[in-house]
Amino acid sequence: DAGVIQSPRHEVTEMGQEVTLRCKPISGHNSLFWYRQTMMRGLELLIYFNNNVPIDDSGMPEDRFSAKMPNASFSTLKIQPSEPRDSAVYFCASTGGSYEQYFGPGTRLTVT
Amino acid sequence: AQSVTQLGSHVSVSEGALVLLRCNYSSSVPPYLFWYVQYPNQGLQLLLKYTTGATLVKGINGFEAEFKKSETSFHLTKPSAHMSDAAEYFCAVSDNTGGFKTIFGAGTRLFVKA
Repeated sequence: DAGVIQSPRHEVTEMGQEVTLRCKPISGHNSLFWYRQTMMRGLELLIYFNNNVPIDDSGMPEDRFSAKMPNASFSTLKIQPSEPRDSAVYFCASTGGSYEQYFGPGTRLTVT
Repeated sequence: AQSVTQLGSHVSVSEGALVLLRCNYSSSVPPYLFWYVQYPNQGLQLLLKYTTGATLVKGINGFEAEFKKSETSFHLTKPSAHMSDAAEYFCAVSDNTGGFKTIFGAGTRLFVKA
């Protein structure tokens, strides 16, 4: 199994640009999570999906952030427009019902 | 509501010494408890978990943790630290009332001195 796949691994963009982060969960897993990690705020849950349906998006910081899961094998997290304070490492994780989460390698986003 | 408190954002031990990372949780129902480890520039990976049954659970790399309901604690220990144990460790709690949502602690960075 390839594990959770995230792309890109690194993204550098200018303020105001649209950023799209991608995630492919482990095959057969039906829950998917997006987290953001920074030195100041630690690991924050942004949103999670169960069976492709958003269950809890209370962690999404503002309307500039949106997430979709069009099918069981793909999810996106979009930031439009991006701001320097969005710079962080974004993780995707999935679980197949055991509560144990499998994390991807993360996308390091830098907004200048 | 669930919550997790990790005592100490940084812990430093000598190689060969006991590792003790503290975690206290709050949950209104029987919890599922986890320890995850994060090495530099990597995602989190599961170290060990408690769901039901035996309260002393063993994980990878010689780590173990004990669920103490009366103390609402789930401390992580390892008898003898190795340089390769240097990483950040996260305690986490979940239960069956919030789907598969998991609450993570703030993390404890472990330094191992030669």
